[in-house]
Amino acid sequence: AQKITQTQPGMFVQEKEAVTLDCTYDTSDPSYGLFWYKQPSSGEMIFLIYQGSYDQQNATEGRYSLNFQKARKSANLVISASQLGDSAMYFCAMREGQVTFGTGTKLQVIP
Amino acid sequence: NAGVTQTPKFQVLKTGQSMTLQCAQDMNHEYMSWYRQDPGMGLRLIHYSVGAGITDQGEVPNGYNVSRSTTEDFPLRLLSAAPSQTSVYFCASSYSTAAGGRYEQYFGPGTRLTVT
Repeated sequence: AQKITQTQPGMFVQEKEAVTLDCTYDTSDPSYGLFWYKQPSSGEMIFLIYQGSYDQQNATEGRYSLNFQKARKSANLVISASQLGDSAMYFCAMREGQVTFGTGTKLQVIP
Repeated sequence: NAGVTQTPKFQVLKTGQSMTLQCAQDMNHEYMSWYRQDPGMGLRLIHYSVGAGITDQGEVPNGYNVSRSTTEDFPLRLLSAAPSQTSVYFCASSYSTAAGGRYEQYFGPGTRLTVT
């Protein structure tokens, strides 16, 4: 069974608008971590944000925030004030010992 | 710090050949892992290691071997290359995978492998 599900293969957003990228996960372990990574067309993987399963507050890192709904097992990434440089693939990942990734969402920011 | 380095950057193999993809990190990280990335499939975990001398299988281990004799190095061996192993391979490391810590993964630049 898929442990990390990203249901949006592709998304478009207008520059300066906010966008939400969906991620749901499946685990029975009470202790886990959730990550989002960005992969621009150049290919490198860039860490964006982390949420621990016991964290009470949603994580934020600059324009990135993580909408963590533990009961729903969802960890959506919100990017505020989109910029052209945000166009990239975005991957959600979960750590429960090993780290596994979703299939990614390709975000395209339109001028 | 060089971070995570991978060699080679590109490689073309013929079916049946073997080779080793090299991965090294200089951050004294415990956890190291290998992923393959195929279009539409995201990153799939091949093998991982939680410390020197300890390795385990990920989601897609068949056709690959690993060893971890030192903290720094985590080579991936393709035993008999097949066209299905054409992919981009990423090595990654993190300080730990212990519960409660951020411990994000640092990735190498990737190796683009083509098997003909």
